[in-house]
Amino acid sequence: GQNIDQPTEMTATEGAIVQINCTYQTSGFNGLFWYQQHAGEAPTFLSYNVLDGLEEKGRFSSFLSRSKGYSYLLLKELQMKDSASYLCAQRQSGGYNKLIFGAGTRLAVHP
Amino acid sequence: DTEVTQTPKHLVMGMTNKKSLKCEQHMGHRAMYWYKQKAKKPPELMFVYSYEKLSINESVPSRFSPECPNSSLLNLHLHALQPEDSALYLCASSQVQAGRTDTQYFGPGTRLTVL
Repeated sequence: GQNIDQPTEMTATEGAIVQINCTYQTSGFNGLFWYQQHAGEAPTFLSYNVLDGLEEKGRFSSFLSRSKGYSYLLLKELQMKDSASYLCAQRQSGGYNKLIFGAGTRLAVHP
Repeated sequence: DTEVTQTPKHLVMGMTNKKSLKCEQHMGHRAMYWYKQKAKKPPELMFVYSYEKLSINESVPSRFSPECPNSSLLNLHLHALQPEDSALYLCASSQVQAGRTDTQYFGPGTRLTVL
C-alpha cells in the first residue's frame, strides 16, 4: 500500500508559524489534499496541490514537490482554535478519486 | 453550500441487531463514499459509489451493506456486527471529474458502538 508519513504530534505557541510535513510514495500520485479534523468531528478540506509549488489561502498555505514526494502545510498567526489533527491525503491514479490518508499530525497550540 | 448530513449522530446496537446509517447531500455530487475511522487513526475507505453504482469495495465484510438509492442519498446497512466494528463512520461526497472539483466533503459522522 501507499506509505504516507507525517509527524505524530507538534506543539506551537499562539501567534507563531508552524510547518507540518508529509512525505508519500510518488508512484500512482494524482494529487495531495490537506484536511483539518477537530476531535470527534468530520475532516474539513483545507487545500489541494497537484502541481509543484505553493498554494496560499489566508493563514494556511500548502506546498508540493512531486519529484521529492513531499508536501507541507504552513499555518501562520496560530490561534487556539487551530489545535486539531491535520491529515495529509494522497489521491491515487486510476479514476475513482481514492484517497489514502496519513495517520495525521495532532497540533496543540498553547497561549 | 458544502454540507453533507448524516443520521443518526450516535448509535448503540447489539451484535444481533439490524440498523442503517444514512447520508445525504444536495450539492449535485455524483460520487459518494463511506469511511471508517477508529480513535486516533486516519479514515479508511470502505466503499465508493459513482453515478449510483458501486465502484470500489475495499474488501469490506458482508455484514456491511451499502446502498445508493439515488444521487443524493447513501445508506450503510449493518447486520450482525462485532464489537471491533465500533468506530466513527464518515460519509463524503464529491464531483466525479478529475481535478480540484473532486474534493471530498465529509459529513459529521455517526459514532457507532456495538455491544
